[in-house]
Amino acid sequence: EPEVTQTPSHQVTQMGQEVILRCVPISNHLYFYWYRQILGQKVEFLVSFYNNEISEKSEIFDDQFSVERPDGSNFTLKIRSTKLEDSAMYFCASSEGVDYGYTFGSGTRLTVV
Amino acid sequence: GENVEQHPSTLSVQEGDSAVIKCTYSDSASNYFPWYKQELGKRPQLIIDIRSNVGEKKDQRIAVTLNKTAKHFSLHITETQPEDSAVYFCAASIFPQMNRDDKIIFGKGTRLHILP
Repeated sequence: EPEVTQTPSHQVTQMGQEVILRCVPISNHLYFYWYRQILGQKVEFLVSFYNNEISEKSEIFDDQFSVERPDGSNFTLKIRSTKLEDSAMYFCASSEGVDYGYTFGSGTRLTVV
Repeated sequence: GENVEQHPSTLSVQEGDSAVIKCTYSDSASNYFPWYKQELGKRPQLIIDIRSNVGEKKDQRIAVTLNKTAKHFSLHITETQPEDSAVYFCAASIFPQMNRDDKIIFGKGTRLHILP
């Protein structure tokens, strides 16, 4: 079964450092998303991406965040200057369309120290 | 925007009994309602979904019902087994029109414990 692949699985970074989280969505999917989940809490929407541009972003997704699809397969989330409260599990997801279920990657646990 | 409320936050059920998790949504334009199961430390996985043109859908021991008038939908798990223990998230998707609200909004999750 096709999978969404995320790397790294765990990243520890110093506060103020930049991090890039990487995702390889399923190849025939057209919609890409980043969600985050603070430990024990619900899955929160960050950003959706379609046709090489952001289609929607949440209030969490401020100027410190950016996304890119640099080469047609990878989908990256960059946090420019990490804060302690950015510590969470970050999930990439992709789907064939908005009213289809998402396939989630296995997540990157980001720990900001 | 869409808001999804989910109850209960924790549910303990004797093995073999049924479990019911309920969700409400706020935006009447929502037309797609998936349910995700998340085992400890793992990714959310889609277990069943329902579209707004259907009132009920069943897949083996899992069923989902939708009441569009009341804007609520429920997950029913029958003959529960230990491997059903997980966190279950309901979600709602706003209809994809010109404003391109192409995302799903999750409820806060229900931690289901199956007791031996």
